[in-house]
Amino acid sequence: GQNIDQPTEMTATEGAIVQINCTYQTSGFNGLFWYQQHAGEAPTFLSYNVLDGLEEKGRFSSFLSRSKGYSYLLLKELQMKDSASYLCAVLDSNYQLIWGAGTKLIIKP
Amino acid sequence: ETGVTQTPRHLVMGMTNKKSLKCEQHLGHNAMYWYKQSAKKPLELMFVYNFKEQTENNSVPSRFSPECPNSSHLFLHLHTLQPEDSALYLCASSQDPSGGASEQFFGPGTRLTVL
Repeated sequence: GQNIDQPTEMTATEGAIVQINCTYQTSGFNGLFWYQQHAGEAPTFLSYNVLDGLEEKGRFSSFLSRSKGYSYLLLKELQMKDSASYLCAVLDSNYQLIWGAGTKLIIKP
Repeated sequence: ETGVTQTPRHLVMGMTNKKSLKCEQHLGHNAMYWYKQSAKKPLELMFVYNFKEQTENNSVPSRFSPECPNSSHLFLHLHTLQPEDSALYLCASSQDPSGGASEQFFGPGTRLTVL
């Protein structure tokens, strides 16, 4: 079956760096997405990786290793507003998104 | 209005009621999606419409009935629901997914409670 694994919850300190991991086993691969979802709000797009390597976008970076079925989202200079759930999703061979359950990130002052 | 809108934002209904959720996208996309989001579970894809044609129905119970009159509007008709159907129902849209990877834009969701 298809499976996306990510930690349920993480805690970090304001100003620090945190890495949220995602491992996947899917039928085919057409890219991996990261979304951010604040409580009670819609998920919003953060990043898309289809080739191996690191994509940097401001304070957020996303890494992909297709051979290992692994990705991570790196958040630098954490701010209180970064408290949210972070969803990992893989686009399978049918171009359907397979979602992880999300990682709830708690930022402490 | 911009982006993806959903109404109502909150809905409480009895098991014998009939109600409808509405979604509208103002992005010129061709594909629209209904998802169910339950606490601590992955997003569950329910239905996909591409160019107004249903392309995916992930074994959703018949008490959920989608309707897509055009590529900008999507409805989810609800009848005789069960308490376990209580969840956040999210609508999303994207460009034609068969054309390659395409970011999905989400609406704010309808928080549904079935009593």
